[in-house]
Amino acid sequence: ETGVTQTPRHLVMGMTNKKSLKCEQHLGHNAMYWYKQSAKKPLELMFVYSLEERVENNSVPSRFSPECPNSSHLFLHLHTLQPEDSALYLCASSQGQLAGSDNEQFFGPGTRLTVL
Amino acid sequence: GENVEQHPSTLSVQEGDSAVIKCTYSDSASNYFPWYKQELGKGPQLIIDIRSNVGEKKDQRIAVTLNKTAKHFSLHITETQPEDSAVYFCAAAGTYKYIFGTGTRLKVLA
Repeated sequence: ETGVTQTPRHLVMGMTNKKSLKCEQHLGHNAMYWYKQSAKKPLELMFVYSLEERVENNSVPSRFSPECPNSSHLFLHLHTLQPEDSALYLCASSQGQLAGSDNEQFFGPGTRLTVL
Repeated sequence: GENVEQHPSTLSVQEGDSAVIKCTYSDSASNYFPWYKQELGKGPQLIIDIRSNVGEKKDQRIAVTLNKTAKHFSLHITETQPEDSAVYFCAAAGTYKYIFGTGTRLKVLA
């Protein structure tokens, strides 16, 4: 296990539903990330939080709303999603925000989201 | 925009043979190049990385080479084993942001 857990592991929702994805890291890290992984496409960075402050919002539609109540927890609130939002949503954490081997990103197993 | 091209998208090798996966990046400010392995039902896991001031790095059966002039870097796996079967991703990073390749599905045939 990587020390990063995600719940639920699978989620099916209608376009009018509201749901939330949860991520928890047990590594004492200060930075947390949300990525979207779609088939045949590169991992897309969605949001970055460093010390509970949002430092990156990568042109993500407002139907995705992140929340970082403390350095160990990260949420992604979902509202009125579209079928093209179906994907694997990955959470990651790292000690700091700078890219490098001393700030290795540890990924959770992901939540497989299907939007009907 | 910045991107990383990764080839091939699928690769099948016989157990014991070598596998090579190649990536090309566009942002000349990139200076950190990690490789990740993603097994079914799991998130990506870092397996090896290289910084731009180094041309080659080796860790047991895996090695990474970097040609900064050509903006190419490659993953080499020798003496492949069935447990090496997975999806492999390369990435190029500048100070903060990672740009990932599209992944290579490696199948090691017993």
